[in-house]
Amino acid sequence: EPEVTQTPSHQVTQMGQEVILRCVPISNHLYFYWYRQILGQKVEFLVSFYNNEISEKSEIFDDQFSVERPDGSNFTLKIRSTKLEDSAMYFCASSGGTGWGDTQYFGPGTRLTVL
Amino acid sequence: AQKVTQAQTEISVVEKEDVTLDCVYETRDTTYYLFWYKQPPSGELVFLIRRNSFDEQNEISGRYSWNFQKSTSSFNFTITASQVVDSAVYFCALKAGNNRKLIWGLGTSLAVNP
Repeated sequence: EPEVTQTPSHQVTQMGQEVILRCVPISNHLYFYWYRQILGQKVEFLVSFYNNEISEKSEIFDDQFSVERPDGSNFTLKIRSTKLEDSAMYFCASSGGTGWGDTQYFGPGTRLTVL
Repeated sequence: AQKVTQAQTEISVVEKEDVTLDCVYETRDTTYYLFWYKQPPSGELVFLIRRNSFDEQNEISGRYSWNFQKSTSSFNFTITASQVVDSAVYFCALKAGNNRKLIWGLGTSLAVNP
């Protein structure tokens, strides 16, 4: 069964450093998403991406964040200058785009630790 | 405003007990979708079910069942004859309006003890 994959599973970085989190969505899906979950808290939407551009973003997704689909399979989230409060689990998801209520399937997550 | 409330923070049951996880949602949109996801200790988010606002039929899948009631804005999840492998955090989520973002509840941590 097709699944979303994410690398790395755990990333440790120093405050102020740039990080890139990588995702490979399900191959025939058209919409891609990033969410984050700070430890013990709710899952929060960051951004959705369709047709090579951002379709929606939250207030959290400020200028420090960017997303890219550099090729036909990868979808990346970049944090330019990490802060301590960026420490969280980051989930990538994809959906087929069959309708706006379509199901989002999630990857296993990348745990980002900012020291 | 759109909101999902899962009032039960933690539930602990003994194996084979039935357990119901509550989910109450708020939205002014007439078209919306509700979801349940499971987050086992390994951390991934596993899709369980999707329901649209026009389909109030309850659904059963094995030991899992869902009760959708628009009159009370609830979408509750019942596990029958719980098993230790059901131990996880369960999230209810809402998608409403002309956007694709999921709005999440805080989750209910279920512990099934042998």
